[in-house]
Amino acid sequence: NAGVTQTPKFQVLKTGQSMTLQCAQDMNHEYMSWYRQDPGMGLRLIHYSVGAGITDQGEVPNGYNVSRSTTEDFPLRLLSAAPSQTSVYFCASHANRLAAYNEQFFGPGTRLTVL
Amino acid sequence: GQQVMQIPQYQHVQEGEDFTTYCNSSTTLSNIQWYKQRPGGHPVFLIQLVKSGEVKKQKRLTFQFGEAKKNSSLHITATQTTDVGTYFCAGLTSGTYKYIFGTGTRLKVLA
Repeated sequence: NAGVTQTPKFQVLKTGQSMTLQCAQDMNHEYMSWYRQDPGMGLRLIHYSVGAGITDQGEVPNGYNVSRSTTEDFPLRLLSAAPSQTSVYFCASHANRLAAYNEQFFGPGTRLTVL
Repeated sequence: GQQVMQIPQYQHVQEGEDFTTYCNSSTTLSNIQWYKQRPGGHPVFLIQLVKSGEVKKQKRLTFQFGEAKKNSSLHITATQTTDVGTYFCAGLTSGTYKYIFGTGTRLKVLA
């Protein structure tokens, strides 16, 4: 049982490049989220999903796309990277679709730098 | 939109002193969770509070949820060096599936 896994751990991009951050969980959790963490800003919700085929925007969705074709995977796509997207990205999951009464399990994070 | 503020932003304490962080939401919450993040690590769940006025304890940690379900606190008694890290609250607004995190309180414990 690996929990929540994220790849890559580190990534450097040039402005305008695109890439996909991978997130997978093996706990059969319905609910998955992507957060970004910047110094002094806490964790801000980018996108989330309450089940396969269902996604919705969080606090800071601009510049990011997501899809949820399977329960296990929830990739985050940066369409055209910008320096403002330099951050640490965390994926999280929890069990209950109603998003209550369940702890969120976080992946180890991806440190992204956009030059 | 919904905002969750935490104070203080930083706290340095001598080992053995107490520590408290406060979390305030602009809207009423269904529940609130607390997480701890060690330097260089990822957030790890500590506890969840659901009921108005709820108090829960975990060894030296005491968590409270306000009567109006808009604020919460985490109190650590007799801090230890292992308590070092950033503590976050995360609130769930009624009728949504979004957890909004507070800005966090970074705790340093001086031996």
